[in-house]
Amino acid sequence: GAVVSQHPSWVICKSGTSVKIECRSLDFQATTMFWYRQFPKQSLMLMATSNEGSKATYEQGVEKDKFLINHASLTLSTLTVTSAHPEDSSFYICSAKRGGTIGNTIYFGEGSWLTVV
Amino acid sequence: GNSVTQMEGPVTLSEEAFLTINCTYTATGYPSLFWYVQYPGEGLQLLLKATKADDKGSNKGFEATYRKETTSFHLEKGSVQVSDSAVYFCALSDNPWNYGGSQGNLIFGKGTKLSVKP
Repeated sequence: GAVVSQHPSWVICKSGTSVKIECRSLDFQATTMFWYRQFPKQSLMLMATSNEGSKATYEQGVEKDKFLINHASLTLSTLTVTSAHPEDSSFYICSAKRGGTIGNTIYFGEGSWLTVV
Repeated sequence: GNSVTQMEGPVTLSEEAFLTINCTYTATGYPSLFWYVQYPGEGLQLLLKATKADDKGSNKGFEATYRKETTSFHLEKGSVQVSDSAVYFCALSDNPWNYGGSQGNLIFGKGTKLSVKP
């Protein structure tokens, strides 16, 4: 079964509004979560690394004031797309790092399709 | 910078056909290489991985060999099934501290959609 849950799976919002996407680790604590975005026919691109209790680290070219990331607990990270525009329409997917005695494992959520109209 | 290039899809095969999905990479140092699979309506799942040259990753009948000389990590399966229909992503980790298989930050290819017909 899924160990990382992402919600919502699909969302349509009006241009200018904000939309929040949640990423939860279901049976483990994730100190680090990652947010990716995939435009049609493009690669999954890392947007930011979310660390519990601290500010997210954004990749070059990603506007931190537009894509707000909050990682307030060890099982939840949220991505808020503020003042959404049609060009923000994309597939957003999160992953969570699960620590273990032998290295780490990354688990991905199901992804969220955002359409801005 | 580091990058991953994989063959464009979609790929449509008949059941029991042989599958190859090509993947090449550009990286400095010694990255780890991964194949992820995303079944319809589900999250990305790690399919297999290889952490050093000449390593072969395998899982569920799929195989891929880390070829440093050709900077490739092609995915193969001898006989595909309808249930293999999914999107396959090749990825590399540029995390230099890869002890224990830590995946660090992943760099993905564009994904290849595979459809297997009965």
